[in-house]
Amino acid sequence: AQSVTQLGSHVSVSEGALVLLRCNYSSSVPPYLFWYVQYPNQGLQLLLKYTTGATLVKGINGFEAEFKKSETSFHLTKPSAHMSDAAEYFCAVTKGSYKLIFGSGTRLLVRP
Amino acid sequence: DAGVIQSPRHEVTEMGQEVTLRCKPISGHDYLFWYRQTMMRGLELLIYFNNNVPIDDSGMPEDRFSAKMPNASFSTLKIQPSEPRDSAVYFCASSPTPGTTSYEQYFGPGTRLTVT
Repeated sequence: AQSVTQLGSHVSVSEGALVLLRCNYSSSVPPYLFWYVQYPNQGLQLLLKYTTGATLVKGINGFEAEFKKSETSFHLTKPSAHMSDAAEYFCAVTKGSYKLIFGSGTRLLVRP
Repeated sequence: DAGVIQSPRHEVTEMGQEVTLRCKPISGHDYLFWYRQTMMRGLELLIYFNNNVPIDDSGMPEDRFSAKMPNASFSTLKIQPSEPRDSAVYFCASSPTPGTTSYEQYFGPGTRLTVT
């Protein structure tokens, strides 16, 4: 069975600092991987996705993630945090169906 | 593109009342999903449709919940009778057929349901 683990329910960084949000998955076959962002009182918005090919994926708002098969990880990074990045971030996985398995989410706090 | 549209955005009702949540998917999308989000359980898939046909309703919590998709541009999620533990944010999402994208889903803004 597939599962997604997001380490850290809350991550706090200073404005301008590196953002690193961790996601590990378990899947018996090569997965499709996603990062979604949810701003307060809004729906989830796709940040980026990995399907096949290049393992470093660039998304919107300066975010990127790297698929590491050997580590079964898909961590999300951004070199320099901005106040507007404060939100909840969800990692999701599927092995090829529309039943996305979502992680429990990581709330990113950005300190001025 | 208008995106996924949900109504109402907020609903407050009393226990025992019927609640109907509505969703209009993105035009041309063949798949429609209903999710529930709570602090305790996170994001849960309730049911999804393909071409208006329910494909998997294993996430529907109990018989009080029902969902329909009478046409490609409209779906409802109904709770009858409602209970306080149904209080949550309900999201609708849609997705096009794979091949053009890879199972990514587009979410609506959600309906915040409070049952008192």
